[in-house]
Amino acid sequence: DSGVTQTPKHLITATGQRVTLRCSPRSGDLSVYWYQQSLDQGLQFLIQYYNGEERAKGNILERFSAQQFPDLHSELNLSSLELGDSALYFCASSVEPSKYNEQFFGPGTRLTVL
Amino acid sequence: GQQVMQIPQYQHVQEGEDFTTYCNSSTTLSNIQWYKQRPGGHPVFLIQLVKSGEVKKQKRLTFQFGEAKKNSSLHITATQTTDVGTYFCAPANQAGTALIFGKGTTLSVSS
Repeated sequence: DSGVTQTPKHLITATGQRVTLRCSPRSGDLSVYWYQQSLDQGLQFLIQYYNGEERAKGNILERFSAQQFPDLHSELNLSSLELGDSALYFCASSVEPSKYNEQFFGPGTRLTVL
Repeated sequence: GQQVMQIPQYQHVQEGEDFTTYCNSSTTLSNIQWYKQRPGGHPVFLIQLVKSGEVKKQKRLTFQFGEAKKNSSLHITATQTTDVGTYFCAPANQAGTALIFGKGTTLSVSS
């Protein structure tokens, strides 16, 4: 158990819908990362937050947005969902946003768009 | 942009055989981390390499960072069924703001 929690574990929805994925980082970790894992693309970095502020952006679509709240939990919002958004979404956390810090991953949310 | 290539993408071995995965970058890396993801699980940190030519060992696993800091490798000696999973190398991007994960190398082991 990494100490990072993600809800829900599974999510099934229809195209065009909007969903919110939630992540609670390890106690003491200030930085949160979101990743998308699909079979053909591997593990893709989406976005990073540090102490409530956006720190880095990766391959995140404009239909996707995220935020980190004062209690440090984070939410990833996916809207106008398409079939291709079906994937495993991981949240990870680290003490600081340093590239030298190891990241602790949560169990993931499996999103299925029908 | 910065690219990382990991080879092979898939590898099947008999239990007891050795296994190596290679990670190659088009640019010089400041550091590289390695993660393992078991089937149905999430990535778990294994190790970090920072220095040129660095070699680190964890039991049957040996990690190397190239002299030019453009490549890295993970070697497993005498694989066991518990080694099954996907191994990712994850160097930092040039801005140092994120790790770059590729598709990884998926290892299967038959007994």
